[in-house]
Amino acid sequence: QKEVEQNSGPLSVPEGAIASLNCTYSDRGSQSFFWYRQYSGKSPELIMSIYSNGDKEDGRFTAQLNKASQYVSLLIRDSQPSDSATYLCAVLKGWRALTFGSGTRLQVQP
Amino acid sequence: DAGVIQSPRHEVTEMGQEVTLRCKPISGHNSLFWYRQTMMRGLELLIYFNNNVPIDDSGMPEDRFSAKMPNASFSTLKIQPSEPRDSAVYFCASSFGGSSTNEKLFFGSGTQLSVL
Repeated sequence: QKEVEQNSGPLSVPEGAIASLNCTYSDRGSQSFFWYRQYSGKSPELIMSIYSNGDKEDGRFTAQLNKASQYVSLLIRDSQPSDSATYLCAVLKGWRALTFGSGTRLQVQP
Repeated sequence: DAGVIQSPRHEVTEMGQEVTLRCKPISGHNSLFWYRQTMMRGLELLIYFNNNVPIDDSGMPEDRFSAKMPNASFSTLKIQPSEPRDSAVYFCASSFGGSSTNEKLFFGSGTQLSVL
C-alpha cells in the first residue's frame, strides 16, 4: 500500500465549476498535510497546508482534512484554465521529509 | 533571490557512465532534499540533509547512488554506473525553519536525465 494515494486522473471540469481533488494516507501518525501544484514541465510549488480537522480556505482554494478517515481533499472554486496542472498531495510526520502522492492531473475546459 | 539552482537542466548519457547532478540551495536554508520523479512512481525522496548532515537516505536506491553536501551552499548527487532505469527528473529542494523546516519546500527546475 502506498503511503499517499491519489487518483491519477485526468479530472476534467468545465471553466467556472468546482474541482474536487482527493487524497488518502496510510500512516495515522501523519501530522501535517499539503497540496502542491505542478504545471507540466515545471517544478512543484506549495499552494495549501492544513494541520487540523476541518476546512481551511484561501481564496478560491479550500483544503479539507479528516484524520479519522485519513482523508485530505482540495476544492478549487470557479476553476480557470490556468488551474490546469497536476496536484500533489503530501504528508509530513515528525522529522521525516515530505511524502508525496503521485498526483492528480486536472484539466479545466474553457 | 535566484531560487534553488540545479545543473545541468538536461543530461543524456550512455549506460555505465557516471552522472553528477548539482544543486545550490537558497541562501540561508538549512535543509536540502533530493527527489526523483517518474510517471510510474511519482515524486520519491532519495535523501535529505539538515545543516549539511544526511538525515534520511533510506530512499537512495542502491550503492550506485551517492550524495554529498560539503557546505551549506552546494550538494551533488552522483550515479555510478548509470542504468536506463535511472532515467527520470531529479529535483533538488531546500527549506528553512525550525519545527516546520520540512514543510515548505522550494524546488529547483530539475534535471531531466536520460540514460540510453
